[in-house]
Amino acid sequence: ETGVTQTPRHLVMGMTNKKSLKCEQHLGHNAMYWYKQSAKKPLELMFVYNFKEQTENNSVPSRFSPECPNSSHLFLHLHTLQPEDSALYLCASSQEARGGITDTQYFGPGTRLTVL
Amino acid sequence: AQKVTQAQTEISVVEKEDVTLDCVYETRDTTYYLFWYKQPPSGELVFLIRRNSFDEQNEISGRYSWNFQKSTSSFNFTITASQVVDSAVYFCALRNQGGKLIFGQGTELSVKP
Repeated sequence: ETGVTQTPRHLVMGMTNKKSLKCEQHLGHNAMYWYKQSAKKPLELMFVYNFKEQTENNSVPSRFSPECPNSSHLFLHLHTLQPEDSALYLCASSQEARGGITDTQYFGPGTRLTVL
Repeated sequence: AQKVTQAQTEISVVEKEDVTLDCVYETRDTTYYLFWYKQPPSGELVFLIRRNSFDEQNEISGRYSWNFQKSTSSFNFTITASQVVDSAVYFCALRNQGGKLIFGQGTELSVKP
């Protein structure tokens, strides 16, 4: 089952390029997330969109710009990245209730990004 | 503050051995949720189990079992009769109600034939 899909799976870009990562969820969820996973580090939450509104920006540099046009799609726009931004970028989705009741997050396969 | 500690960075076992992955958590909340995820070499985080703080029943699913003990703030994961396909990084995670999902550092399990 591919409940959460991400494209591309691999991306190599130069520091002056502009690219976008795409995430799509087919689970009918209303919340979506971007995480960054660097080597030897725990997963870091970057952004949260809940009911299409950004509810979390975890001190992420402005060279990362999220976009959530609807509850099924999430983008991460990248520009003027640094080599230390090379990492696995994971998208996740969940069904959250407005009362704050927490549900399980389901993850996509990730985009492995290399910045040269 | 919330925190998840997986003290075992790497574990190596031979196929058919049993292996336990440790997870210790810290939280001041009375309502919280604990998770285990598996990350194979392909990179995708695969959801394994979710446990609510008010449900301390242990759970068994095939070769997998989980031992939740609030008294010691632990949520350990045991694989019985391990197989090569179990080789992966396993993450324990904690989330309070409506809050962020906090991950441990992960335990890399290598099962050798």
